[in-house]
Amino acid sequence: AQKITQTQPGMFVQEKEAVTLDCTYDTSDQSYGLFWYKQPSSGEMIFLIYQGSYDEQNATEGRYSLNFQKARKSANLVISASQLGDSAMYFCAMRESMDSNYQLIWGAGTKLIIKP
Amino acid sequence: GAVVSQHPSRVICKSGTSVKIECRSLDFQATTMFWYRQFPKQSLMLMATSNEGSKATYEQGVEKDKFLINHASLTLSTLTVTSAHPEDSSFYICSAREQGAYEQYFGPGTRLTVT
Repeated sequence: AQKITQTQPGMFVQEKEAVTLDCTYDTSDQSYGLFWYKQPSSGEMIFLIYQGSYDEQNATEGRYSLNFQKARKSANLVISASQLGDSAMYFCAMRESMDSNYQLIWGAGTKLIIKP
Repeated sequence: GAVVSQHPSRVICKSGTSVKIECRSLDFQATTMFWYRQFPKQSLMLMATSNEGSKATYEQGVEKDKFLINHASLTLSTLTVTSAHPEDSSFYICSAREQGAYEQYFGPGTRLTVT
């Protein structure tokens, strides 16, 4: 079974609208963390936001917020007021506590295209 | 933020030759570095994890004699693709993690083309 599932292979969104990118995860650990990375066409992976399993508040970083629903095992990324520069691949990833190196388990990604 | 550099950004080599890719953490000490391979329109595939001063741990299916990884210092890891073949053509990307931190910071990637 996949540990990280991103069900949206691609999304088209009108500029200035809010975007929600879905991510569900599967783990039996109590301590884990969830990440979102952005990969523009240049290829570089850009760290966006992190949510720890024990964090009570949803993580926010500027226009990015993580809608963390622990019981549903979902960690959706919300981008407010989308911009053309937000067009990119977005990957959800998880670290589990059992890995001392904090390896990440990656989702398949969602390609987001912002329309002018 | 933490900066990771990767060199070269692009390399074209002939079949049978070896290619070295460098990954450097510029403003932090990287306890752990990771090497990934990414095929077009796919997610990252972890190749190996290396800790400074230790032998790299390779993922299943990755040939350790073909993909040599050295993590000689807290700021530098290298990946050498030995006896490269066209099927090794891919996008290789490294990341680095500081001790005690969860997040990985990525280099810009290296596009390898083997002719």
